[in-house]
Amino acid sequence: QVQLVQSGAEVKKPGASVKVSCKASGYTFTNYYMHWVRQAPGQGFEWMGMINPRGANTNYAQKFQGRVTMTRDTSTSTVYMELSSLRSEDTAVYYCARSSGYYEEIDIWGQGTMVTVSS
Amino acid sequence: EIVLTQSPGTLSLSPGERATLSCRASQSLDSTYLAWYQQKPGQAPRLLIYGAFSRATGIPDRFSGSRSGTDFTLTISRLEPEDFAVYYCQQYGSSPFTFGPGTKVEIK
Repeated sequence: QVQLVQSGAEVKKPGASVKVSCKASGYTFTNYYMHWVRQAPGQGFEWMGMINPRGANTNYAQKFQGRVTMTRDTSTSTVYMELSSLRSEDTAVYYCARSSGYYEEIDIWGQGTMVTVSS
Repeated sequence: EIVLTQSPGTLSLSPGERATLSCRASQSLDSTYLAWYQQKPGQAPRLLIYGAFSRATGIPDRFSGSRSGTDFTLTISRLEPEDFAVYYCQQYGSSPFTFGPGTKVEIK
């Protein structure tokens, strides 16, 4: 079955970076875009950006430009999201989620990765 | 960016009742690019409706989507116990692909 399995929880200090992975299975990896969406505790969702695993093209939300990097490894069907210069406001659950095209709905979500930024 | 506003913030209803949730876009949005998600505590969201009107695979027909101008509506015809959750709308027609703040459907 289609699955997105994310890496485990992280605790980071302010100013550090975090890299979260998302391993896809059950479908052709390069046929679907991958999004990253975060949810702060008790809050709604914030779309961070997306990557096309076929050509590694990315589209980042302006808010995260310069701080986020999304990459992929086609040999392992894994995408990565790295966020740098962490601050306390980055504490959130980070989700990867796929869509079948650039302007298509997200249909499958990963289980989420909790990232805590604390001194 | 397109701002989505959801109302009400909380809806208190009993099982068997009808739920009507609203999502308003700050600017014109093609129906093709509006989705609804359900989220339960501690879980990832689940796609319910895409393209404003189409039910996702496996979604019961008590869930339906509609549109009037820049207002989109999710209707749950008869609430089942498992439907009490938070519902979010999202637009994916204009980057950044924004979400509404959510409507919590709670048991009255």
